Amino acid sequence: EIVLTQSPGTLSLSPGERATVSCRGSQSVSRTSLAWYQQKPGQAPRLLIYAASTRATGIPDRFSGSGSGTDFTLTISRLEPEDFAVYYCQQYSSSSLTFGGGTKVEIK
Amino acid sequence: QVQLVESGGTVVQPGGFLRLSCAASGFTFTNHRMHWVRQAPGKGLEWVTAISSGGDNDYYDASVRGRFTISRDNSKNILFLQMNSLRVDDTAVYYCARDWDVRGTPTNLFDYWGQGTLVTVSS
Repeated sequence: EIVLTQSPGTLSLSPGERATVSCRGSQSVSRTSLAWYQQKPGQAPRLLIYAASTRATGIPDRFSGSGSGTDFTLTISRLEPEDFAVYYCQQYSSSSLTFGGGTKVEIK
Repeated sequence: QVQLVESGGTVVQPGGFLRLSCAASGFTFTNHRMHWVRQAPGKGLEWVTAISSGGDNDYYDASVRGRFTISRDNSKNILFLQMNSLRVDDTAVYYCARDWDVRGTPTNLFDYWGQGTLVTVSS
């Protein structure tokens, strides 16, 4: 099973600032098989990014993804009030799908 | 529009059993692999199980294999999760999620989710 470790656990930032979330795999993850989700309190997750860097339909271009091998990054270029949430990476390259532990982006 | 509505969550004793349902509408159910994903209170997401569009193949996380069974009724557009030998650490909100199908090929990405149903395993 591929274990995904996210850092930091919590990111305290102000609106307008840049957010960078890291996701590291215990083994190499195919670049085509890494996704990012956003979850707000009391809501189901929403797909943001797939194949490491492709935005899902309707996702603003302030969200971007990058990385390869074992290291991937989600970047939010300028935080909007609605972006404060928990973010999860997910790998879907193996038959056992796994998520990272999550990164909470909170208002400073 | 796509809707996934879970039901069946409740409080159950350790060692007990429960069946969850997920009613799907707004899309062609038979075209999509379906998943269950859970989230323990205050914790992260954990994939549990998946079933192929036709119901002939299923996949499980090691933590539930042998205790949980996923199934589907394609005539009624319902997904099920039979949970046996429940443990305290099975306590979670259980989401059903649709697999994002790309030109007939499942991706193991989740493009639509239900709102979840809470299962509490406690004595």
